[in-house]
Amino acid sequence: EIVLTQSPGTLSLSPGERATLSCRASQSVSSTYLAWYQQKPGQAPRLLIYGASSRATGIPDRFTGSGSGTDFTLTISRLEPEDFAVYYCQQYGSSSWTFGQGTKVEIK
Amino acid sequence: EVQLLESGGDLVQPGGSLRLSCAASGFTFNSYAMTWVRQAPGKGLEWVSGISGSGGSTYYADSVKGRFTISRDNSKNTLYLQMNTLGPEDTALYYCAKRVGFSFGLWGQGTLVTISS
Repeated sequence: EIVLTQSPGTLSLSPGERATLSCRASQSVSSTYLAWYQQKPGQAPRLLIYGASSRATGIPDRFTGSGSGTDFTLTISRLEPEDFAVYYCQQYGSSSWTFGQGTKVEIK
Repeated sequence: EVQLLESGGDLVQPGGSLRLSCAASGFTFNSYAMTWVRQAPGKGLEWVSGISGSGGSTYYADSVKGRFTISRDNSKNTLYLQMNTLGPEDTALYYCAKRVGFSFGLWGQGTLVTISS
């Protein structure tokens, strides 16, 4: 099973700052199979990025996914108040899916 | 409106059984694979099970294999999760989600399953 490790666990930033979230896989993951989700308290997760770098419908262009192989990154160019949330990466492999443990982006 | 609505969550004793349902609307249900994902209180996301659009292929996480069964009734636009031999580790908010490619593009609001004596 591929393990996804997200870092940092918590990111404390101010609105307007840039956020860089990391997702590292225990073995190589096809970019096609890598996604990112946002979850706010009391809400279901929302798909942000699929295929490592494609934004889902309605996702603002301040969200950018990049990376390949074992290292993937989600960048939020300028944090808006509504972006403070928990972010998960996810991968598909061998007819199963795994999630990273999440990165919380909190207001500094 | 495109939506998923889960139901069936409850408080159950250890060793018990429960069936969750997920009613889909606003899209061609039988064209999409579906999945269940759970989230224990204060924890991260865990994929549980998936099923193809026709229902002919099913997939399970090792943690639930042999205890949970996923199924669907395309005539009723409904996804199910039959859960048997439940233990405290199964306590979680259970989400159903619509697969889009290899990601989960639409999620319900979840139904809470609590396993406790």
